[in-house]
Amino acid sequence: AQSVTQLGSHVSVSEGALVLLRCNYSSSVPPYLFWYVQYPNQGLQLLLKYTTGATLVKGINGFEAEFKKSETSFHLTKPSAHMSDAAEYFCAGVRGGSQGNLIFGKGTKLSVKP
Amino acid sequence: SAVISQKPSRDICQRGTSLTIQCQVDSQVTMMFWYRQQPGQSLTLIATANQGSEATYESGFVIDKFPISRPNLTFSTLTVSNLSPEDSSIYLCSVEIPGQGRGYTFGSGTRLTVV
Repeated sequence: AQSVTQLGSHVSVSEGALVLLRCNYSSSVPPYLFWYVQYPNQGLQLLLKYTTGATLVKGINGFEAEFKKSETSFHLTKPSAHMSDAAEYFCAGVRGGSQGNLIFGKGTKLSVKP
Repeated sequence: SAVISQKPSRDICQRGTSLTIQCQVDSQVTMMFWYRQQPGQSLTLIATANQGSEATYESGFVIDKFPISRPNLTFSTLTVSNLSPEDSSIYLCSVEIPGQGRGYTFGSGTRLTVV
């Protein structure tokens, strides 16, 4: 079955520390992967996406992610956390076949401590 | 990139009633997707709406409860019928924008509370 798995429902880091949010996808998921951020009481905002080309993808707000086919992973990182990064983060992949919708991981809530 | 206007942004409804949510896209798209986000949960696909054909529903979602209309290539509605408190969620529409290299846009969501 096609799936996207996020390891860790809640991650807490100190301000200025490295942010690492983990995402793995099933091998049956086409290699189109996304990270979205959702701030409290707001909609989804695209952070970055991988479709083709360079496997290291840079997004907004200093985030980046690396597509690793051999590990079926697409982990999200940011070198230095900021208080404003506190939010829910969703990893998503494209459903194969004719549907074409996104399938989402369960989400990781990022907390940033002062 | 495309812009989706989703209405209403929030509503409080009595149990047993219905709520209709509208999504208007500023460009023509083939498929529109409707998602539900229950409190503290991820997004789950309800159905895919194609213009000119019946919507395709995911397992666990039925047309009687979530009727969908797709009268043209820029507009769709989702109705949540016979509301119960368990329907309290955020409902979002989404489209894939042609020529955007797998670009997906989301509406701002409708926060539904059933009392």
